[in-house]
Amino acid sequence: DAGVIQSPRHEVTEMGQEVTLRCKPISGHDYLFWYRQTMMRGLELLIYFNNNVPIDDSGMPEDRFSAKMPNASFSTLKIQPSEPRDSAVYFCATQAGTYNEQFFGPGTRLTVL
Amino acid sequence: DQQVKQNSPSLSVQEGRISILNCDYTNSMFDYFLWYKKYPAEGPTFLISISSIKDKNEDGRFTVFLNKSAKHLSLHIVPSQPGDSAVYFCAATGVDSGYALNFGKGTSLLVTP
Repeated sequence: DAGVIQSPRHEVTEMGQEVTLRCKPISGHDYLFWYRQTMMRGLELLIYFNNNVPIDDSGMPEDRFSAKMPNASFSTLKIQPSEPRDSAVYFCATQAGTYNEQFFGPGTRLTVL
Repeated sequence: DQQVKQNSPSLSVQEGRISILNCDYTNSMFDYFLWYKKYPAEGPTFLISISSIKDKNEDGRFTVFLNKSAKHLSLHIVPSQPGDSAVYFCAATGVDSGYALNFGKGTSLLVTP
């Protein structure tokens, strides 16, 4: 398996623009997580899905953030409109069942100018 | 509120010596704990885990100790190698967190030759 695939790896955009981050989970994994990593706050959980259904989105910072998982092999995290404080590394991770390890993608480094 | 805390942002150890990374948690409902290692420009990778029914788990050079009464766990690396230089994240989960991982902010380990 290729592991968790994220695209793009790097994104530079201007304030106010829409940003879409993509994630392809490991086949067969039923949990998908979106994290944001910053120096100040470390690794923060934004939202997670179980069997494509959003379970907890309490970590999503604002209404500008939205996430979808239309099927078991694809998820998106969208920021609209983007702001400079959204600059961070965004990770997608997937997991098979509970009490198992999560597998992380390589991350998307987002810079909002 | 940070439920998992890693109070040492960085640690420097000489090659061949023991590295001890510490982690404290506040939620008594956590019953599964994990350590992840992260290299620059990569996603975190799973290292070792421990269930709350155990107080020790060993995997090669890596041992995790859990002290439930103190709500404290530690990761021991013996002997430390330069390739162990990375950021180490402690994570915890349980049924009341929906099996989502709560991460500490990480400890940056530098192993010097």
